Parts: sequence; C-alpha cells; structure tokens
Amino acid sequence: GAGVSQSPSNKVTEKGKDVELRCDPISGHTALYWYRQSLGQGLEFLIYFQGNSAPDKSGLPSDRFSAERTGGSVSTLTIQRTQQEDSAVYLCASSTRQGATFNYGYTFGSGTRLTVV
Amino acid sequence: KNQVEQSPQSLIILEGKNCTLQCNYTVSPFSNLRWYKQDTGRGPVSLTIMTFSENTKSNGRYTATLDADTKQSSLHITASQLSDSASYICVVTPNSGYALNFGKGTSLLVTP
Repeated sequence: GAGVSQSPSNKVTEKGKDVELRCDPISGHTALYWYRQSLGQGLEFLIYFQGNSAPDKSGLPSDRFSAERTGGSVSTLTIQRTQQEDSAVYLCASSTRQGATFNYGYTFGSGTRLTVV
Repeated sequence: KNQVEQSPQSLIILEGKNCTLQCNYTVSPFSNLRWYKQDTGRGPVSLTIMTFSENTKSNGRYTATLDADTKQSSLHITASQLSDSASYICVVTPNSGYALNFGKGTSLLVTP
C-alpha cells in the first residue's frame, strides 16, 4: 500500500493476556518507529529499527514489551501480561534516508487503540 | 522535562476565524521542526517541515514560522474550517540521531 498500515485498529484484551500489534511500513522505508500515545499525553517513543542495525529499545517501558522486525519490513510489537496502564494508542511510523537524514518521508500509521479491561 | 512545550492546551474558535498555536522548545541543536495534524482516531499527518535556517513555511491555509534564536515556532491557521478540528502537534528533531521530541499537542475545536 501507499501508507503505513497497522492492525488491528482496535484491540480490547483482558488484563494479564498477551497482545501483538502489527505494522506494515511503506515499501522501501528502512527506518521503523513505534510510539505510544496515552490519553491526554504526547507521543512516547518506544523502539526504533534501522535496516539491519540493532534496534534502539531505550523507550520500552518494561520487559513486558518487545518488538521485532522481520526481513526489514513488517514489525510486531508484543505486550505480555497486559496491565490497565498499557491502554493507549500505539502508533507506528516509517521513514527513509535522504542525504544525512533518516527522517525523509516520515509517515505515521493510523494506530492501534489498545484497551485493557 | 519535556523539551517541547505547546500552548494553548486547547482552543475553541468560530468557523472562519484565524488562530495561532505556539511551540517553545529547548532541543538544541536541532535538524528540523515539524507541525502535524492528528484527527481523532487517526495517525499524525505532516503539515510543514522547517529546517533551522527557514523562517516560514506555508501549506494552504496553514503557515508555520520559526525563530531559532528564541526557540519558538507558531502555526497560523487562516479562515478556519470545521475540518480543522484536530490536535496539532509540534515535533523537533535533534541534530544527533533520529529520536524525535514531541509536544503534547494543542486540541483545536472549530465551531459553526
């Protein structure tokens, strides 16, 4: 597709369950980012993938959160043993490199709204 | 401490009126500053991108300004429309690396 695709768009899960969120970046974009947007809060950086380099996981809030990116394309964000405070919109973005910047064509997906009950 | 502060937090204006949203940042040095529009239930969409050497950038009825000396940016919306109701987010990219610094956004409501 032409944009960043995320699925599911909405997810309701019970506390303690594991969830997987998927992101399909724009074809050819080497960089992929995950963000979390809690109600009334700004966007919080979670993790960054760039090509074959080791991901920057510095934003992951706990070891219950993990992410992988297979084949340099699709990414999955996994939250284990979900808690109510995990309820938020999870946004994915991708970009490519132009010159010295890795932020060319920076585009967000529509997000996955996660509700933990 | 958040390095990007936006004001006001929320704003209500009448259709057809103009408005200006503010963004103050401490990120330095920075590569570029962006304004995004985020409709409810959607991801942010880029409105303008300015490098540190640019003072103004327009996109239709949206005009962004940048004062790198005072570390302030503004987004001016002209002749507002109902569809302008959204959250407007200021984002600053530091010179080093890729991590973006997001403001918490200004929630704009345009009423008939």
